[in-house]
Amino acid sequence: KQEVTQIPAALSVPEGENLVLNCSFTDSAIYNLQWFRQDPGKGLTSLLLIQSSQREQTSGRLNASLDKSSGRSTLYIAASQPGDSATYLCAFYNQGGKLIFGQGTELSVKP
Amino acid sequence: NAGVTQTPKFHILKIGQSMTLQCTQDMNHNYMYWYRQDPGMGLKLIYYSVGAGITDKGEVPNGYNVSRSTTEDFPLRLELAAPSQTSVYFCASSLGNLSGRYFGPGTRLTVT
Repeated sequence: KQEVTQIPAALSVPEGENLVLNCSFTDSAIYNLQWFRQDPGKGLTSLLLIQSSQREQTSGRLNASLDKSSGRSTLYIAASQPGDSATYLCAFYNQGGKLIFGQGTELSVKP
Repeated sequence: NAGVTQTPKFHILKIGQSMTLQCTQDMNHNYMYWYRQDPGMGLKLIYYSVGAGITDKGEVPNGYNVSRSTTEDFPLRLELAAPSQTSVYFCASSLGNLSGRYFGPGTRLTVT
């Protein structure tokens, strides 16, 4: 069964810290991997999409890496801000294009 | 572009009633999807469509129906609503099946 696990389930950090969110998946034959942000009561906003042939993507203070051989992806957030508080979801695309989601990491950045 | 839009934002339905959740995208995407999100759970795929006139079941299709008469619209129909269908419903679209998904803001549905 294809599964995605995100650790930790919740994280609270002081403003300014650099932090890493982890995502592991059971199927090394994944294609692309996508990180999303979800604010309470809102929809999902795409943060980064890592294509199958890529190992990382960067956007502003965010950097996502993908290691298919170990079944892991990480989302690195530099210099965290209270506005970064949200739930971060990792999802991978299998061979059929199905998007399989993790349960998310709830991040709280304290001023 | 408005992206993916969904209506209504919130709705309370009585057990046994039926309703249609609307989804529209203006990005000319071929692929459209319906997901449900339950508290503490990841998103589950209900139905998807690869183009106008073509739909297929996802992981949790029971109790739902869809149609895709145009590229832009992908309504989700709930027949004989049950409390187990209380959830947040998200519509999404993408250019291809491996392209990044764009999500709508969601519909919070309560069946009581």
